[in-house]
Amino acid sequence: GNSVTQMEGPVTLSEEAFLTINCTYTATGYPSLFWYVQYPGEGLQLLLKATKADDKGSNKGFEATYRKETTSFHLEKGSVQVSDSAVYFCALSRSGAGSYQLTFGKGTKLSVIP
Amino acid sequence: NAGVTQTPKFQVLKTGQSMTLQCAQDMNHEYMSWYRQDPGMGLRLIHYSVGAGITDQGEVPNGYNVSRSTTEDFPLRLLSAAPSQTSVYFCASSQGGKTNEKLFFGSGTQLSVL
Repeated sequence: GNSVTQMEGPVTLSEEAFLTINCTYTATGYPSLFWYVQYPGEGLQLLLKATKADDKGSNKGFEATYRKETTSFHLEKGSVQVSDSAVYFCALSRSGAGSYQLTFGKGTKLSVIP
Repeated sequence: NAGVTQTPKFQVLKTGQSMTLQCAQDMNHEYMSWYRQDPGMGLRLIHYSVGAGITDQGEVPNGYNVSRSTTEDFPLRLLSAAPSQTSVYFCASSQGGKTNEKLFFGSGTQLSVL
């Protein structure tokens, strides 16, 4: 079946540091890949997505590239801010099933200190 | 601009009690779903619906019932609450279709079963 594995947290960084959160997946077919972010006390919201191999999703300075050869979708940001402190979830959607059937990773908590 | 509205935000139940978690969306989305979020487990799909009158089971459906009588509403019923159902519950909706539209999440219901 489908599964998503992301790096264990929590991750603590100083402001302006470089961020990488690793995500690898197992899926049949050609899934779409997503990063969702959950700020404290809120529901998840879509951060970025990529729908086919070699696509790069980007938003708010975050980037992730769909690598089919390594089955990965690592999240990166060049310079994090305190406001980026949140839990980040990697997810995939089953091929052809639409986004309502997402499989999520366990989440990685990021804390950015001034 | 309400989006996805969940009620209540917090609930405490005794083992064996029943209750309904409410979810409503005002975006005319076809697809709605319920997830539970547990520490170290990420989000797991409970039930989902692809339109009014159509529901199906997700990864962890046992102990929960759903119905979809209107496009807007998708309540989740706990028939006989158990401590294992202590969790944070999220309702989500999406426009659906083949283009993998993004999920919109509610702000969650924190449920404790004693």
